[in-house]
Amino acid sequence: EDKVVQSPLSLVVHEGDTVTLNCSYEVTNFRSLLWYKQEKKAPTFLFMLTSSGIEKKSGRLSSILDKKELFSILNITATQTGDSAVYLCAVEAWGKLQFGAGTQVVVTP
Amino acid sequence: GAVVSQHPSRVICKSGTSVKIECRSLDFQATTMFWYRQFPKKSLMLMATSNEGSKATYEQGVEKDKFLINHASLTLSTLTVTSAHPEDSSFYICSARPGTGSGANVLTFGAGSRLTVL
Repeated sequence: EDKVVQSPLSLVVHEGDTVTLNCSYEVTNFRSLLWYKQEKKAPTFLFMLTSSGIEKKSGRLSSILDKKELFSILNITATQTGDSAVYLCAVEAWGKLQFGAGTQVVVTP
Repeated sequence: GAVVSQHPSRVICKSGTSVKIECRSLDFQATTMFWYRQFPKKSLMLMATSNEGSKATYEQGVEKDKFLINHASLTLSTLTVTSAHPEDSSFYICSARPGTGSGANVLTFGAGSRLTVL
């Protein structure tokens, strides 16, 4: 059975800290792995990863995929209160996205 | 960028009534749209894949007679929750893949519809 597992489920950090979120997966016919940020409503796209070892970066956020070990990490450096959200990892296979349970990040002032 | 509009954002209804939720792709055509359901503090669960001009494909365990999906045009898919019950209360989100441009393969989500069945 395909599965996407995120860890930790939640964490609380202080502004300025760095956080690392994990996503491991077991799927057949893997095509890509995506990270989304969900605040109150719709998830917003962060990264799409298809190749191993190539870091994608956007401001303070970065992500990398390891297709051999079947996992990805999302890093957020110098966290701000606006980074507080649920971060969702999703794996695309067979034309569909399967989501992990998400990691809730709370950044305190 | 690609925009998916979902309406209504919030709906409250009585048990036994039916509720329709619309999902529109505003600046692109979507032959395929996806409907998800999200419970509080849980992840998104794919309910069905909506296919323009043909029947939707439902995920295992999702009642197709309960959750009617119609994808009558390239920019509109609707989800109707029939004979709603309190356990149908949830957050329903639609999504579509633009198919072209820089975000071609990235699923874009609507803002979601929160359904409360009394």
